[in-house]
Amino acid sequence: QTVVTQEPSLTVSPGGTVTLTCASSTGAVTSGYYPNWFQQKPGQAPRALIYSTSKKHSWTPVRFSGSLLGGKAALTLSGVQPEDEAEYYCLLYYGDGQAFGGGTKLTVL
Amino acid sequence: QVQLQESGPGLVKPSETLSLTCDVSSYSISSGHFWGWIRQPPGKGLEWIGSIYHGGDTYYNPSLKSRVTISVDTSKNQFSLKLFSVTAADTAVYYCARDHDSGDFLMDYWGQGILVTVSS
Repeated sequence: QTVVTQEPSLTVSPGGTVTLTCASSTGAVTSGYYPNWFQQKPGQAPRALIYSTSKKHSWTPVRFSGSLLGGKAALTLSGVQPEDEAEYYCLLYYGDGQAFGGGTKLTVL
Repeated sequence: QVQLQESGPGLVKPSETLSLTCDVSSYSISSGHFWGWIRQPPGKGLEWIGSIYHGGDTYYNPSLKSRVTISVDTSKNQFSLKLFSVTAADTAVYYCARDHDSGDFLMDYWGQGILVTVSS
């Protein structure tokens, strides 16, 4: 069973920068896993932010960016806003399916 | 804007079958893309259940494969989920979403979700 791992929680100050990561139990995450990132606030459906490692949806704020970092997928938030406080999930595509990470609870404090 | 809406019973008895439908609007399922189901137990993370192409090709999460069937009805522009022999562990918010196509691997549009409780 493939396991996708994220930091359980992170804290960042308003205006700061934070990077969330996403690792795969199968080894290094590459662009071939087409990493996706989603934001979810309490009581809401997930909202897509990033796909195929670094591509943004038309609605994705400029301060969100995706990359590969040290064998992991990464989501960087630059100039964090209070409204960025949320749960963030990554999604990786494998040859026989896809899997979500456990989520990172981002606190803006 | 593509819209998805889940529907179905909010309460299912243990050992019975959970059946949900996802209605898609402002986009024809036959135009492409896989279409997927995802669930989220209360207070927990997201779990991909499976996805289907308009032609009927399906693939499922190996951990659920023995209990899941996903089907599509292009004439109604909807797709459906059946989860058999449910237990309390299947209690979750169930989401449908537009999944990847041949060019882009993404899950861009999601339904609002429907809470299904398994209880007698």
